[in-house]
Amino acid sequence: EPEVTQTPSHQVTQMGQEVILRCVPISNHLYFYWYRQILGQKVEFLVSFYNNEISEKSEIFDDQFSVERPDGSNFTLKIRSTKLEDSAMYFCASSQGSQPQHFGDGTRLSIL
Amino acid sequence: DQQVKQNSPSLSVQEGRISILNCDYTNSMFDYFLWYKKYPAEGPTFLISISSIKDKNEDGRFTVFLNKSAKHLSLHIVPSQPGDSAVYFCAAPGEAGSYQLTFGKGTKLSVIP
Repeated sequence: EPEVTQTPSHQVTQMGQEVILRCVPISNHLYFYWYRQILGQKVEFLVSFYNNEISEKSEIFDDQFSVERPDGSNFTLKIRSTKLEDSAMYFCASSQGSQPQHFGDGTRLSIL
Repeated sequence: DQQVKQNSPSLSVQEGRISILNCDYTNSMFDYFLWYKKYPAEGPTFLISISSIKDKNEDGRFTVFLNKSAKHLSLHIVPSQPGDSAVYFCAAPGEAGSYQLTFGKGTKLSVIP
């Protein structure tokens, strides 16, 4: 069964550094998403992407965050200047239509 | 802002018995609901969904019931198996045209052999 793949599985970064999280969505999917889960909290929506542009974003997705689909297969989340509170699991998801969304196994981001 | 609530953080059930996981929502504009299952160190896996035009959807051992007047849905697993031990999330997409999922906090199900 096709799946969403995310790399790396764990990223450790110094505060203030830039980080790029990578995702390969399912190949025939058209909608792409990033979510995050801070330890002990809910899974929270960050952003959705369709037709090469952001379609929705949450209040969390401020100017420090950006997304890109640099080629036909990758979907990336960049955090420009990381803060301690950015430490979380980041999940990429994709969907063919609106639902259901299929999730990757996540990248654990640790900010030191 | 808890538009989707799962009030039981954990549930333990004997193997072979029924597991019932509950979810309440506050936004009456929600018209579609999903259940996801999550194992440690993995992402959420889609399990089953239900549209508000139905009150029940069944897929093998999994059945989701929707009570719109009570703004309540439940996931029934019968018979429960040890491999069902995981965290179960209830989720709903936003209002019309929104694809973002709002998740509950999850219920950790433990199926005891």
